[in-house]
Amino acid sequence: AQSVTQPDIHITVSEGASLELRCNYSYGATPYLFWYVQSPGQGLQLLLKYFSGDTLVQGIKGFEAEFKRSQSSFNLRKPSVHWSDAAEYFCAVGLNSGGGADGLTFGKGTHLIIQP
Amino acid sequence: DARVTQTPRDKVTEMGQEVTMRCQPILGHNTVFWYRQTMKQGLELLAYFRNRAPLDDSGMPKDRFSAEMPDATLATLKIQPSEPRDSAVYFCASGLGPGFEQFFGPGTRLTVL
Repeated sequence: AQSVTQPDIHITVSEGASLELRCNYSYGATPYLFWYVQSPGQGLQLLLKYFSGDTLVQGIKGFEAEFKRSQSSFNLRKPSVHWSDAAEYFCAVGLNSGGGADGLTFGKGTHLIIQP
Repeated sequence: DARVTQTPRDKVTEMGQEVTMRCQPILGHNTVFWYRQTMKQGLELLAYFRNRAPLDDSGMPKDRFSAEMPDATLATLKIQPSEPRDSAVYFCASGLGPGFEQFFGPGTRLTVL
């Protein structure tokens, strides 16, 4: 079974500073990869996704992520964070089995705190 | 602006009572998912449907949980009887199948006393 690890439970970043959130997955093949963001009391919003092709993917709100097959990683980055980026961030994996199961497996999340 | 809707948004009930949560997927989406979020376990897939047929419900406690899609515009998740350990936020999501984005609803926050 696939698994997703987000090693950082909490991260504190100063406003304007750069951000990198880590995500590692365990899966026998190349999965579909996603980053979602959740604000307090809200549902999940997709930031970006990787299916195939260019390993650097651009998302909404200035976020990007890079898929590194050799490291089984899909880290999320942003060059300059804003106070409104404070939220919970989830990395997720979906099976890439050509029509098979496609429920997502989520990491435990990283809580991002923005310091003024 | 197409969205997944869920009702109720909040539900407080007593142990042993039946709870029904409802989800309206985005029109045209053929796949509907139910997830549960708790502090301890995080986000877990409970069940999902494609074209209204259940494909996987291995994440659900079978003795008390049931999920159905009476029609393409309604998915339900029922707990009977409810227990305090069922307290969680239950999310519905819909999408177009493998590899496509899943759009999440706002969730139903369930508290079982």
